[in-house]
Amino acid sequence: DVVMTQSPLSLPVTLGQPASISCRSSQSLVYSDGNTYLNWFQQRPGQSPRRLIYKVSNRDSGVPDRFSGSGSGTDFTLKISRVEAEDVGVYYCMQGAQWPPTFGQGTKVEIK
Amino acid sequence: EVQLVESGGGLVQPGGSLRLSCAASGFTFSNYWMSWVRQAPGKGLEWVASIKQDGSDKNYVDSMEGRFTISRDNAKNLLYLQMNSLRAEDTAVYYCARAVRISDYWGQGTLVTVSS
Repeated sequence: DVVMTQSPLSLPVTLGQPASISCRSSQSLVYSDGNTYLNWFQQRPGQSPRRLIYKVSNRDSGVPDRFSGSGSGTDFTLKISRVEAEDVGVYYCMQGAQWPPTFGQGTKVEIK
Repeated sequence: EVQLVESGGGLVQPGGSLRLSCAASGFTFSNYWMSWVRQAPGKGLEWVASIKQDGSDKNYVDSMEGRFTISRDNAKNLLYLQMNSLRAEDTAVYYCARAVRISDYWGQGTLVTVSS
């Protein structure tokens, strides 16, 4: 299975400050169709996961533009330009390039 | 609006069985692969199984193959997960999710607790 490794696992952030989460995969996430299947999910406390970013850098409808995704191959990043209180939760990267789809361990974002 | 609503969770004894359902609405169900993903209490996310649009192809995570069966009824817009020989480590919230590679919509989940 493709191993997804996130860092950090805990991220205390001051409101209004930027935050960055790294995700590394044990294998390339480039699929045979040429797409890179790396998604980012947000899970707020008590809620189900919500997709924020798909195929590395495409923001989902309704997702604030302070969220951005970047990267290629095996190295990816989720950035929040200015953290707001509603961003508290756990963030997961997920690869869909190889079966089975696998997730990172999760990064808990909290307000300092 | 896309909606996925899971049901069927509950308390079951080790070795028992349970069938989960997911009612889909707001999109053409028969056009999409569908999946089940689970999350043990306080833990991360784990893929369980996925099924092709017409049910002709099913994929399972190794640890669940042989015990779990994914199926669908496109006429009723329903996705199922039959779980047999349940173990304590199967205790989790089970989510229904649309698609596989891009997994765009998820339900609210249904809790399965395996305990005596």
